[in-house]
Amino acid sequence: DGGITQSPKYLFRKEGQNVTLSCEQNLNHDAMYWYRQDPGQGLRLIYYSQIVNDFQKGDIAEGYSVSREKKESFPLTVTSAQKNPTAFYLCASSIGRDPLEQYFGPGTRLTVT
Amino acid sequence: AQSVAQPEDQVNVAEGNPLTVKCTYSVSGNPYLFWYVQYPNRGLQFLLKYITGDNLVKGSYGFEAEFNKSQTSFHLKKPSALVSDSALYFCAVRFFSGGYNKLIFGAGTRLAVHP
Repeated sequence: DGGITQSPKYLFRKEGQNVTLSCEQNLNHDAMYWYRQDPGQGLRLIYYSQIVNDFQKGDIAEGYSVSREKKESFPLTVTSAQKNPTAFYLCASSIGRDPLEQYFGPGTRLTVT
Repeated sequence: AQSVAQPEDQVNVAEGNPLTVKCTYSVSGNPYLFWYVQYPNRGLQFLLKYITGDNLVKGSYGFEAEFNKSQTSFHLKKPSALVSDSALYFCAVRFFSGGYNKLIFGAGTRLAVHP
């Protein structure tokens, strides 16, 4: 999975709790991305960051937050404001700021009950 | 509006036969197009991309894709399918929005190769 690690692989939380998903890359890539994958919907962009200390909202940012304090790390927090948080979350990175080839982590499956 | 369509939810192919996974797109300007593959409970892996040049693009694992500008299509092909090719395939297109380049992914097509 290209030098990107995501932890944990499976995560279970009670409704109303915030939860943080980890994403680390050792590829020295500038850009990092968070996607959400639901069955039959493909991947939808939550947040992306092209440089340290800078990030932008994607198409479905509501209920999520991120930080990019280090080049190699881009954690995603799923807050209690996210209405339907149960999904498969994928982190990715790309060499430059243009996503010509993205490298994906193995994903975290979050289940909220 | 930018979009990517994968019209088939699933494609079934016998091992050894040629396979095609279809993708059509809608984007302003010259398209940058991609194919990714996802094996169960894993992240996506890059297969190939089209940016410019030859309309037939060769990628990993013997896959290739044909860019057709008039039909706005970018179908993924392989001359002889393997059982191990069974996976979920995503087509994607790059577009520019809000000052940045981003990818839109199709909904995915599940490829099932039968022995």
